[in-house]
Amino acid sequence: GAGVSQSPSNKVTEKGKDVELRCDPISGHTALYWYRQRLGQGLEFLIYFQGNSAPDKSGLPSDRFSAERTGESVSTLTIQRTQQEDSAVYLCASSLVPGDQETQYFGPGTRLLVL
Amino acid sequence: KQEVTQIPAALSVPEGENLVLNCSFTDSAIYNLQWFRQDPGKGLTSLLLIQSSQREQTSGRLNASLDKSSGRSTLYIAASQPGDSATYLCAVHTGKLIFGQGTTLQVKP
Repeated sequence: GAGVSQSPSNKVTEKGKDVELRCDPISGHTALYWYRQRLGQGLEFLIYFQGNSAPDKSGLPSDRFSAERTGESVSTLTIQRTQQEDSAVYLCASSLVPGDQETQYFGPGTRLLVL
Repeated sequence: KQEVTQIPAALSVPEGENLVLNCSFTDSAIYNLQWFRQDPGKGLTSLLLIQSSQREQTSGRLNASLDKSSGRSTLYIAASQPGDSATYLCAVHTGKLIFGQGTTLQVKP
């Protein structure tokens, strides 16, 4: 079956512009996660969805970052007024249900470069 | 605050060698620990998941151990192959995954 997909695969934008990153989880997976990986650094947790609700937004770095999920499926991560420090690979993952017993399956990521 | 550290940051070995990657974490209150593989330009692939009550997991040439009391995990790769070249990440699950910075492995033919 299809894995987690993300689009676009690469995005170059100018400082100050807004960007939207999309994640399509594995069909039937109720939990969806967003992570960020900046160059030379580890993955940072951003936000987690259970269904269409986000119980944990603790990793969002600023109020310029927001995310939504609809239909317990597709999720969009929006970054407003992008800054150069937002340049990173943004990874999405999904799992069948939330919880510690479940493996998270990752998408290929979106590479964002803010000039 | 949970912190995950991986040593070494990079490792280069000749094909056929057995090797060990290390992961340490500061807070033993974890649900599980996972090892992932990341290939350039691709997402993460889960290799092994060890529940907090377990001591080790094996899959093929891979064996991962977990010692919660000392805050350590190791990933053992037997008879390494060039196709094993990748970045290996460990992550602890505390309600969310907290990742180390990874060990980049190169296996030379």
